[in-house]
Amino acid sequence: ELKVEQNPLFLSMQEGKNYTIYCNYSTTSDRLYWYRQDPGKSLESLFVLLSNGAVKQEGRLMASLDTKARLSTLHITAAVHDLSATYFCAVAPNSGGSNYKLTFGKGTLLTVNP
Amino acid sequence: DTAVSQTPKYLVTQMGNDKSIKCEQNLGHDTMYWYKQDSKKFLKIMFSYNNKELIINETVPNRFSPKSPDKAHLNLHINSLELGDSAVYFCASSVDHYNEQFFGPGTRLTVL
Repeated sequence: ELKVEQNPLFLSMQEGKNYTIYCNYSTTSDRLYWYRQDPGKSLESLFVLLSNGAVKQEGRLMASLDTKARLSTLHITAAVHDLSATYFCAVAPNSGGSNYKLTFGKGTLLTVNP
Repeated sequence: DTAVSQTPKYLVTQMGNDKSIKCEQNLGHDTMYWYKQDSKKFLKIMFSYNNKELIINETVPNRFSPKSPDKAHLNLHINSLELGDSAVYFCASSVDHYNEQFFGPGTRLTVL
């Protein structure tokens, strides 16, 4: 069964600082997604990473995928309060009967303090 | 607005009751999903339909029954509600199983 581990699960950072959230997964995959969830709200798609070495950037967030290491990172540059949310990575395996199924990490609760 | 919509947004009910949650998407997608998010925010897929056909059926009690009358709608009916069913249920849709999923606003179910 595919396992997806995010760390850290809780991240408190100061405005202006940089930090990285890590997403490790246990089986071969070249499909990885990052989502953002604000409290009491839905999940918003941030990035879709579909190949080894894929890098995508939007504003202060940059996501990358290393399929050989089975690792994706979400890097936050010069954090601002508006980035406070829970961030999820989700992975679909390349093969097997469940290759349609997204498995989500437990989420990283990011709090950006002034 | 093009989106995934769910009704109701909140559902408070007694143990043992039967309830339904409705989902509609106007994105023209072929694939729809139901997810359950528990109190620790852990998100787990329950069901997936592709063009009205059930594709994924996770280990979910058979008190939960999805129904897809057409590819734009996926409803979730729950019989004999239990305390442990309290959660937020999200509907999602995607072009197909290989593309990103777009989530509805969620239905917060509270079973008393």
